[in-house]
Amino acid sequence: KNQVEQSPQSLIILEGKNCTLQCNYTVSPFSNLRWYKQDTGRGPVSLTIMTFSENTKSNGRYTATLDADTKQSSLHITASQLSDSASYICVVSDRGSTLGRLYFGRGTQLTVWP
Amino acid sequence: EADIYQTPRYLVIGTGKKITLECSQTMGHDKMYWYQQDPGMELHLIHYSYGVNSTEKGDLSSESTVSRIRTEHFPLTLESARPSHTSQYLCASSSTTEHDYEQYFGPGTRLTVT
Repeated sequence: KNQVEQSPQSLIILEGKNCTLQCNYTVSPFSNLRWYKQDTGRGPVSLTIMTFSENTKSNGRYTATLDADTKQSSLHITASQLSDSASYICVVSDRGSTLGRLYFGRGTQLTVWP
Repeated sequence: EADIYQTPRYLVIGTGKKITLECSQTMGHDKMYWYQQDPGMELHLIHYSYGVNSTEKGDLSSESTVSRIRTEHFPLTLESARPSHTSQYLCASSSTTEHDYEQYFGPGTRLTVT
């Protein structure tokens, strides 16, 4: 069964600290993996997208890694800011259909305290 | 920020009423999607469209219906709202000409049926 599991479910950190969010998936065949940021009451916004051949990609203070062999990904946030408080969703796409089916994790709820 | 819009943003309505959730995008994308998301849970695909006059049901069974008469417009209709329809509804679009098939999300409609 194709699944995407994220950990931790929630995380509280102090402003300025770093953190790492984890994503494990069983989706096959694999096309790409995306990390989205979703603010409360808003739609998800893409942070990074990685294909099979990419093992790291950065977007400002966000750095995503991908290990396609172990089917694991992480999102590292550096020097956190209050505005980083949001849900971070890992999404994996397969190649099993022309639609490019997306499998969503439940997200990690990050809270940054001053 | 993606050019995809949803109205209304919030809707509180009584049981049995007919409602239409609007979604429009100005990016010329051929594919459009509707997702349903409950708090703390993953997004579930309920409808999608490959283009004008194309509509398909997603993975999660839904009593809603959709139409795609124009490329930019993908409304979702509930003929008779029930409390079980209370949820957040997210619209998204993507282009088959973009290599990464990035999906862009609207801000969502928070529906409450009393």
